[in-house]
Amino acid sequence: DQQVKQNSPSLSVQEGRISILNCDYTNSMFDYFLWYKKYPAEGPTFLISISSIKDKNEDGRFTVFLNKSAKHLSLHIVPSQPGDSAVYFCALLKHGQNFVFGPGTRLSVLP
Amino acid sequence: EAQVTQNPRYLITVTGKKLTVTCSQNMNHEYMSWYRQDPGLGLRQIYYSMNVEVTDKGDVPEGYKVSRKEKRNFPLILESPSPNQTSLYFCASSSPGTGTSGANVLTFGAGSRLTVL
Repeated sequence: DQQVKQNSPSLSVQEGRISILNCDYTNSMFDYFLWYKKYPAEGPTFLISISSIKDKNEDGRFTVFLNKSAKHLSLHIVPSQPGDSAVYFCALLKHGQNFVFGPGTRLSVLP
Repeated sequence: EAQVTQNPRYLITVTGKKLTVTCSQNMNHEYMSWYRQDPGLGLRQIYYSMNVEVTDKGDVPEGYKVSRKEKRNFPLILESPSPNQTSLYFCASSSPGTGTSGANVLTFGAGSRLTVL
């Protein structure tokens, strides 16, 4: 039974528009919520995170929103750029060091 | 340059032939872990280590072994590989609270693609 779901396996967005990636979870016992980005033939790289006591965190073009009551996490990228094309994983952190990852969403930003 | 290094990057082997995937980090991180990535399943944790000589099972440890004799190294051992262990493997390391929100942030290696025939 997957604790973390990313229901859109893929997403295509026009350059300059907003990309919204979603993540839903079933367990409330997470302390932090993170997003990682992965390019082909590379390891995932950290993008942005939010603690469970916040509902929004912003870093440049990237904003993460957390709705704890709905057990829903989202990543907004605006404006989207072709270099943002990658697979995005949400990662939920519990018990200090143990991460649970979602299955990933492949984002394609079209020029 | 701060990094996690895995070797080999690509390997094709046969059922039952023991193999080791090495992992080394140069950031003096206490925590290291191994993940496998499979289509539709994301990254699943195999084993992790909180520090030297301290290891524990993750979500999918069957068929794997690890050791942590030195802080920088965390090899993954497949004693008798089987075709269901064909996967993309990632090693990662972290120190507590290194993210901007206070979260631990994992630094990943580039991955090792293993095929077991």
